[in-house]
Amino acid sequence: DVKVTQSSRYLVKRTGEKVFLECVQDMDHENMFWYRQDPGLGLRLIYFSYDVKMKEKGDIPEGYSVSREKKERFSLILESASTNQTSMYLCASSFQAAPYLTDTQYFGPGTRLTVL
Amino acid sequence: DQQVKQNSPSLSVQEGRISILNCDYTNSMFDYFLWYKKYPAEGPTFLISISSIKDKNEDGRFTVFLNKSAKHLSLHIVPSQPGDSAVYFCAASGGKLIFGQGTELSVKP
Repeated sequence: DVKVTQSSRYLVKRTGEKVFLECVQDMDHENMFWYRQDPGLGLRLIYFSYDVKMKEKGDIPEGYSVSREKKERFSLILESASTNQTSMYLCASSFQAAPYLTDTQYFGPGTRLTVL
Repeated sequence: DQQVKQNSPSLSVQEGRISILNCDYTNSMFDYFLWYKKYPAEGPTFLISISSIKDKNEDGRFTVFLNKSAKHLSLHIVPSQPGDSAVYFCAASGGKLIFGQGTELSVKP
């Protein structure tokens, strides 16, 4: 079974703090993704990576950065957290190598981030 | 600009009846469609998919229909069970996955 784990289930941070969200997958998948889920907006892609040290902007990258130093780990960084970044953050991975990113994605349990 | 739309935020169905969840898309270049199911406090899990070269795919109680001319897909669940109560997301692939807003299905005993 594919396992995608996220470092925290719930996180509370203050405005202006630097926030790190970690994601690890154990199936040697090529691609990793970060989404945020908000009511009425569905899942929106923040960043994705199709190889170590490679990253691509998704639909809403502003205010975020990412790091992929190892194949199994993909980190999402909020440089200076703001209240509008309060959301559910979901990490996912998939096997099929770029440029085809149509393979089924496997999701972690999510991190509920609250920025006060 | 929402390329994938699920216009019904919620749906309530009696146990044993059919649940029909709908999804519309705007980009005719999408070549693969998926449905994901999400329980509260869990990540989405893959449910069923369909390629654009097909118009139907069935897996047990779940069937996905694709109408390319109408740019519409639907997920049928027959018979519906209380354990099917969850949020369902459709997604379309044209290089990367684009998700709809989700429909919350409630199946009442």
